[in-house]
Amino acid sequence: DVKVTQSSRYLVKRTGEKVFLECVQDMDHENMFWYRQDPGLGLRLIYFSYDVKMKEKGDIPEGYSVSREKKERFSLILESASTNQTSMYLCASSPGQGRFGTQYFGPGTRLLVL
Amino acid sequence: GQQLNQSPQSMFIQEGEDVSMNCTSSSIFNTWLWYKQEPGEGPVLLIALYKAGELTSNGRLTAQFGITRKDSFLNISASIPSDVGIYFCAGQETNRDDKIIFGKGTRLHILP
Repeated sequence: DVKVTQSSRYLVKRTGEKVFLECVQDMDHENMFWYRQDPGLGLRLIYFSYDVKMKEKGDIPEGYSVSREKKERFSLILESASTNQTSMYLCASSPGQGRFGTQYFGPGTRLLVL
Repeated sequence: GQQLNQSPQSMFIQEGEDVSMNCTSSSIFNTWLWYKQEPGEGPVLLIALYKAGELTSNGRLTAQFGITRKDSFLNISASIPSDVGIYFCAGQETNRDDKIIFGKGTRLHILP
């Protein structure tokens, strides 16, 4: 079975703090994704990565950055957390060509920024 | 941008009833996916479909990739309390290998 794990299930941070969200997948998938999920807005793509050291902006990249130094790990960074970044953050991974769209999700990190 | 229309938005059904929900798009898709999300958890992949007309089952769940490639449906037979949750469809447009598009979800409630 595909396993995607996220470093924290719940986080509470203060405005202005730098926040790191870590995601690890164990299926040797090429592609990894970060989404945020908010009531009424559904899933919105923040960033994704096709390969190590590669990153692509999604639909809402502002206020976020990412890092992919190893194939199995994809980190989301909030450089200076703000209250409007309070949300559920979901990481996903998918295999390469032919099954790109089949994304497997982690359990999510619920972030509260005070 | 492209949107998926998922319906219904919510359903209230009696335990034991069958459930049907669907998704439609305005463009052609080459992949349809169905996920279930429970409160406080990430979406879990239920069924993946890759060919027009494909009908796939996973236990009491059955999903089909529409012949037009612009729609998909998910059926749940003989619903039980643990079926409660939000069901999302998602799809990948043909010639768009960079992302998938999600529906807004169908929230399933089961009455005892």
